[in-house]
Amino acid sequence: GEDVEQSLFLSVREGDSSVINCTYTDSSSTYLYWYKQEPGAGLQLLTYIFSNMDMKQDQRLTVLLNKKDKHLSLRIADTQTGDSAIYFCAEWESNSGYALNFGKGTSLLVTP
Amino acid sequence: DTGVSQNPRHKITKRGQNVTFRCDPISEHNRLYWYRQTLGQGPEFLTYFQNEAQLEKSRLLSDRFSAERPKGSFSTLEIQRTEQGDSAMYLCASSQDRLGGEQYFGPGTRLTVT
Repeated sequence: GEDVEQSLFLSVREGDSSVINCTYTDSSSTYLYWYKQEPGAGLQLLTYIFSNMDMKQDQRLTVLLNKKDKHLSLRIADTQTGDSAIYFCAEWESNSGYALNFGKGTSLLVTP
Repeated sequence: DTGVSQNPRHKITKRGQNVTFRCDPISEHNRLYWYRQTLGQGPEFLTYFQNEAQLEKSRLLSDRFSAERPKGSFSTLEIQRTEQGDSAMYLCASSQDRLGGEQYFGPGTRLTVT
């Protein structure tokens, strides 16, 4: 199948904003998710957005959705060193109704 | 803590041996999923249960892979006759019984086949 695309690496300074981008494939996908994975750990659900929304804000996290371009972004305000991790974008597969299709992840490095 | 738990966290086995992993989902979640994650990749969907019924198993990687959820609570994933290519992180997730229900992941079982 087609791949969910993410840039592989992002480096920011502590206190700056981080923006992680994703291009998804399933135009019928109703739900889109962002997960965080720290080394050796499982995936932590950060936030999700319904396809009928353009934006969702949750504390330091802002998700923007452009359905026309199938583009999703995650903005982290005031990035901290503890935010260093791999961030995965995932689309809910509309044809199965249960599986998530993940990108390869963006490795975020926050430097002091 | 009522999160998803997985055991063991790490498993090292010799090629050709059988291995079994266990997943305990969040207690009120009816849906349970297994994914595999290899180095540098995102998780890849393997199989899905709604209660005790396995509703999708065509995406298990080969007939050496099987999963069960006998009483609709915990689940096991078995790999028979392991191969070096099976080395990966095996992740379990669970969700509520509704479309698009958020999937919560366990810490994973890291399998190394020598």
